[in-house]
Amino acid sequence: QKEVEQNSGPLSVPEGAIASLNCTYSDRGSQSFFWYRQYSGKSPELIMSIYSNGDKEDGRFTAQLNKASQYVSLLIRDSQPSDSATYLCAGKIYNQGGKLIFGQGTELSVKP
Amino acid sequence: DAGVIQSPRHEVTEMGQEVTLRCKPISGHNSLFWYRQTMMRGLELLIYFNNNVPIDDSGMPEDRFSAKMPNASFSTLKIQPSEPRDSAVYFCASSLQNTEAFFGQGTRLTVV
Repeated sequence: QKEVEQNSGPLSVPEGAIASLNCTYSDRGSQSFFWYRQYSGKSPELIMSIYSNGDKEDGRFTAQLNKASQYVSLLIRDSQPSDSATYLCAGKIYNQGGKLIFGQGTELSVKP
Repeated sequence: DAGVIQSPRHEVTEMGQEVTLRCKPISGHNSLFWYRQTMMRGLELLIYFNNNVPIDDSGMPEDRFSAKMPNASFSTLKIQPSEPRDSAVYFCASSLQNTEAFFGQGTRLTVV
């Protein structure tokens, strides 16, 4: 079992819709979670960090963390074509010295 | 701050040659990560350092790969000898321990 797993997609949503991206993790030592966005040919760019159970909102983005279920999600409201990218979920494992592990990424396509 | 700086941006080399990739982390960050990204395998963690000390190099694919961090502002990833299957994008990222990591622009390596 991979330490961080994501649906590879692609996920296609119409412009203005809500895009929902999901991630599960296996190591309960994981304490911090991050969502990165990666455009083709570019490096991963941090968009959200979440450290405790519950929701965290930043503009059109909401990250959700449920440590009991070992589940992390990212909601993108009012999706725009410019949101089309690969979204990477990552978890940091504190009891392994801060090891930062990524999922395979979910490709999102927002259709105008 | 200039962010994480990697060099070179692109490297084309012949099979059997030595390749050295360089990384300058964000000033003040004490964790540094090296990743390799391919379409097939996604973003793989090769090795990471805390306070210049290697913590986990289990992701290094073979003995041909080595990494060093002689001081807080510089790290290298060396491949000797290089092989065509090493062709990938190599990313360096840095963070304060247990917080979010920021990526460099990456080095696109092609081994012919």
